[in-house]
Amino acid sequence: EIVMTQSPATMSVSPGERATLSCRASQSVSTKLAWYQQKPGQAPRLLIFGASTRATAVPTRFSGSGSGTEFSLTISSLQSEDFAVYSCQQYDNWPPSFGQGTKLEIK
Amino acid sequence: QVQLVQSGAEVKKPGSSVKVSCKTSGGTFGIQGITWVRLAPGQGLEWMGGIIPKLRTANYAQNFQGRVTFTADESTSTVYMDLSSLRFDDTAVYYCARERLDGDYWYFDLWGRGTLVTVSS
Repeated sequence: EIVMTQSPATMSVSPGERATLSCRASQSVSTKLAWYQQKPGQAPRLLIFGASTRATAVPTRFSGSGSGTEFSLTISSLQSEDFAVYSCQQYDNWPPSFGQGTKLEIK
Repeated sequence: QVQLVQSGAEVKKPGSSVKVSCKTSGGTFGIQGITWVRLAPGQGLEWMGGIIPKLRTANYAQNFQGRVTFTADESTSTVYMDLSSLRFDDTAVYYCARERLDGDYWYFDLWGRGTLVTVSS
């Protein structure tokens, strides 16, 4: 199983600032990488698939990049609704696997 | 608007079973796979497996083989996840999600709100 490692575990950022979250795969996953946003009591939301393609209705302040083993999710100017947990998922190999998540909190 | 509507929270005793439902509302049911993912306290998301309802074909993650069964009822557009021999560490929020095939495997583009299963004596 491919192990996905996210860093940092927690990130404190002020509204309006930029945040870059990292995700590393234990072996190459090409660009088969998705990012999700999770909030308590809500359905997780797909943000990015194919490493860099925004899902439907995802604001342009969210962008994904990377290939192989190193990926990042950037939120260009944090809004209050963006404070949440973000998880990456690889789907290049079976079984699909997720990172442990990065909690983005208000500074 | 398509939604995945999950059943309510459950409290179960160790050794018992739980059955969680996931109903597709407002969209086509059957061709796209439905996957199950759980989130235990302090852990990351964990993929459990998935089912293509129309084909009745399921695949299961190794960690859950023999303990979990996915079934589908086309008449009610509902998929079920049955987890047996429950342990304390099965306490988690269980999510269903719609699979989107990209290459050989899937990302998940629509999720239910989750069902909290608590295993307690």
